Amino acid sequence: QQPVQSPQAVILREGEDAVINCSSSKALYSVHWYRQKHGEAPVFLMILLKGGEQKGHEKISASFNEKKQQSSLYLTASQLSYSGTYFCGTEFPDGQNFVFGPGTRLSVLP
Amino acid sequence: DAGVIQSPRHEVTEMGQEVTLRCKPISGHNSLFWYRQTMMRGLELLIYFNNNVPIDDSGMPEDRFSAKMPNASFSTLKIQPSEPRDSAVYFCASSLDSSAYNEQFFGPGTRLTVL
Repeated sequence: QQPVQSPQAVILREGEDAVINCSSSKALYSVHWYRQKHGEAPVFLMILLKGGEQKGHEKISASFNEKKQQSSLYLTASQLSYSGTYFCGTEFPDGQNFVFGPGTRLSVLP
Repeated sequence: DAGVIQSPRHEVTEMGQEVTLRCKPISGHNSLFWYRQTMMRGLELLIYFNNNVPIDDSGMPEDRFSAKMPNASFSTLKIQPSEPRDSAVYFCASSLDSSAYNEQFFGPGTRLTVL
């Protein structure tokens, strides 16, 4: 069961903030976030495992809500290098295979 | 560390031909994943291995697809016979193990075009 990501695409100016959401109709075991630049492989950003967990990496952070059905990725003061497609990957407690969301295309303009 | 290595990087073949994609995971990683990426279907998990053993191949689209991992440092994904709809980028990824705690390291991918 593929998670839903929103928005599908977003365009920002340098320095602006963005939020990308990943949601599921049932509780998740974990959420992984990856970024893929055009023509390259996905690169790992972070994993969230516990309801209520928040993690940060420089100006990119993420949260996993208490019910473990939604995660949000926060990009603060975006830089040109943030451009790419962001994927959430999810696992379910019932052992369903790891599934990536459809992706959110982020474009940061000068 | 060289990271995950995939070969070839690009493959162009004609419909009906056999295609073999190769992957060398990061040394010490016990899990290996094969993904297919297309514009229409996104990133799809095809199969993954733990300690060289296929755990779940439910993502393999058809019997034309097969994957093997004869040892800890090598895996192949074979398509026989290939069809134009198999055109995609195929990624191999490895992780320490398949638990939820571990990030996956992706190889550069193989871009397959079937004419």
